[in-house]
Amino acid sequence: AQSVSQHNHHVILSEAASLELGCNYSYGGTVNLFWYVQYPGQHLQLLLKYFSGDPLVKGIKGFEAEFIKSKFSFNLRKPSVQWSDTAEYFCAVNARRNNAGNMLTFGGGTRLMVKP
Amino acid sequence: DTEVTQTPKHLVMGMTNKKSLKCEQHMGHRAMYWYKQKAKKPPELMFVYSYEKLSINESVPSRFSPECPNSSLLNLHLHALQPEDSALYLCASSHQGPSYNEQFFGPGTRLTVL
Repeated sequence: AQSVSQHNHHVILSEAASLELGCNYSYGGTVNLFWYVQYPGQHLQLLLKYFSGDPLVKGIKGFEAEFIKSKFSFNLRKPSVQWSDTAEYFCAVNARRNNAGNMLTFGGGTRLMVKP
Repeated sequence: DTEVTQTPKHLVMGMTNKKSLKCEQHMGHRAMYWYKQKAKKPPELMFVYSYEKLSINESVPSRFSPECPNSSLLNLHLHALQPEDSALYLCASSHQGPSYNEQFFGPGTRLTVL
């Protein structure tokens, strides 16, 4: 069974600080990887995704993530955070199961607070 | 239209009530999903529909009954729920096929069971 680990549960940063959120997954087959963001009181939005090709993917709002296959990792980065980045961030893995459909497995989430 | 809509936004129900949650998408997606999200927790998959047929049931109690009347609609019928079923219920959809596809999420229905 696949699993996703996010090691940082809570992160507090000042504005303009750099951000890196860790994500490791456990699955032996081909996976697709996602980072979703959930702003307070809002629904899940896709930040970025990796399907294949260049392991460094760029998403919306200045976020990027690097897929390192050998480390089973897909860490999220942003060089300079803003107060508006305060949100919950979820890493997710999508692996097909017996052709029954796409399954998204989410990590536990990282709550980011950016102090103005 | 790249939106997944869900109604109602909020629902309060007693343990003996019967209610339904609705989800709709017009992106031509043939896979639709129900997730449950408790406060400060990640979404957990409940059901997957593929081409209007139930393909995955993640051992969800029978008091939750999904239905996919057509390729654009997904319902979740609720009956005899427990207070611990209070949560945000998320619907999602994606293309189906041999390759992987991104899931688009709706805003959710916040359910409170009294």
